[in-house]
Amino acid sequence: NAGVTQTPKFQVLKTGQSMTLQCAQDMNHNSMYWYRQDPGMGLRLIYYSASEGTTDKGEVPNGYNVSRLNKREFSLRLESAAPSQTSVYFCASSGDRAGEQFFGPGTRLTVL
Amino acid sequence: GIQVEQSPPDLILQEGANSTLRCNFSDSVNNLQWFHQNPWGQLINLFYIPSGTKQNGRLSATTVATERYSLLYISSSQTTDSGVYFCAAGSNFGNEKLTFGTGTRLTIIP
Repeated sequence: NAGVTQTPKFQVLKTGQSMTLQCAQDMNHNSMYWYRQDPGMGLRLIYYSASEGTTDKGEVPNGYNVSRLNKREFSLRLESAAPSQTSVYFCASSGDRAGEQFFGPGTRLTVL
Repeated sequence: GIQVEQSPPDLILQEGANSTLRCNFSDSVNNLQWFHQNPWGQLINLFYIPSGTKQNGRLSATTVATERYSLLYISSSQTTDSGVYFCAAGSNFGNEKLTFGTGTRLTIIP
């Protein structure tokens, strides 16, 4: 099992460009999450999906959109990237609401 | 929302030493996890421990939910233990959200 996978691993964007971060899990988990980690800080929740077909905002949703494509895949889209979105983005999944969360390897995004 | 505080922020130890990392949280929890973020940035699950005590090799953790704290013990430290240790808590009254502390940076010197 690969667990949680993310693509790409690294990305550099110019201000105003758009991109989609991809996440997939093979653990048959219901819940999936997107977090961001800024230097010297813990992770903060951007969006989550409790089940296929549902999404909800987390702590820092502004500037992002998400799609729960199916049970396996949860994508994060930046429509118009800003330098403040320079961060490391982690995807996670869990079997249920209060279940243990498992994290992908992260995507390091730089917006110039 | 729930607040999560970790201490100490930094810890430097000789190889072979023991350490205790603390996590305080402000609300009752239904999820409490400890992670190790290695120097390559990967988050490694150490313990899922909303209550009770667990052990895994040289590492063990205890959560006293009624007193709102969790402790992570590392015995006989090795250089590979270096990195940042995060505690993350999910509130009984919140949504899916895990709130992370700001971490304890552990450096093990050979």
